[in-house]
Amino acid sequence: GNSVTQMEGPVTLSEEAFLTINCTYTATGYPSLFWYVQYPGEGLQLLLKATKADDKGSNKGFEATYRKETTSFHLEKGSVQVSDSAVYFCALISSLGGGGNKLTFGTGTQLKVEL
Amino acid sequence: DAMVIQNPRYQVTQFGKPVTLSCSQTLNHNVMYWYQQKSSQAPKLLFHYYDKDFNNEADTPDNFQSRRPNTSFCFLDIRSPGLGDAAMYLCATSRGLTQIAGEQYFGPGTRLTVT
Repeated sequence: GNSVTQMEGPVTLSEEAFLTINCTYTATGYPSLFWYVQYPGEGLQLLLKATKADDKGSNKGFEATYRKETTSFHLEKGSVQVSDSAVYFCALISSLGGGGNKLTFGTGTQLKVEL
Repeated sequence: DAMVIQNPRYQVTQFGKPVTLSCSQTLNHNVMYWYQQKSSQAPKLLFHYYDKDFNNEADTPDNFQSRRPNTSFCFLDIRSPGLGDAAMYLCATSRGLTQIAGEQYFGPGTRLTVT
């Protein structure tokens, strides 16, 4: 079955540091890939996505590139801010019977950014 | 411009007392999902509706039921909540059909406490 593996957290960085959160996946074919962010006490927000190999998703200074050779979708940001403190989920999407789509999530990586 | 709305945001119920959580959407999406997210874990899909067609995940307990009276609303009913059902419950929607259309939009979640 499909699966997503993320680096364990928490990741603690100083403000303006470089961020990488590793994500690798196992899936049949070439699923769409996503990063979701969850701020404390809130639901999930889509951060970025990529739908095919070599696509780069980007948003709010975050980037991730769909690498089919290494089955990876690592999240990066050049300079993190305290407001980026949240839990980040890597996910892939696969089709369900009945017309829906199933998101398979990684376990999440908590990021803490300190002044 | 709220797109996926969940009410209430916080719900306290007693052990064994039925509880209903509500979700509504203004996106006119075909598919609505319910996820359970326990502390420090990834969201787990409970079931989804594609229009009026209900699709249960194989490992979703019978204690959890859902209703979708129209396109905009979907309810999660927990018939006899146990202490282990305390969690954040997330509602999401998607247009469905294909992976590209399968991008999911999440509500803010309802945090359920069982006493």
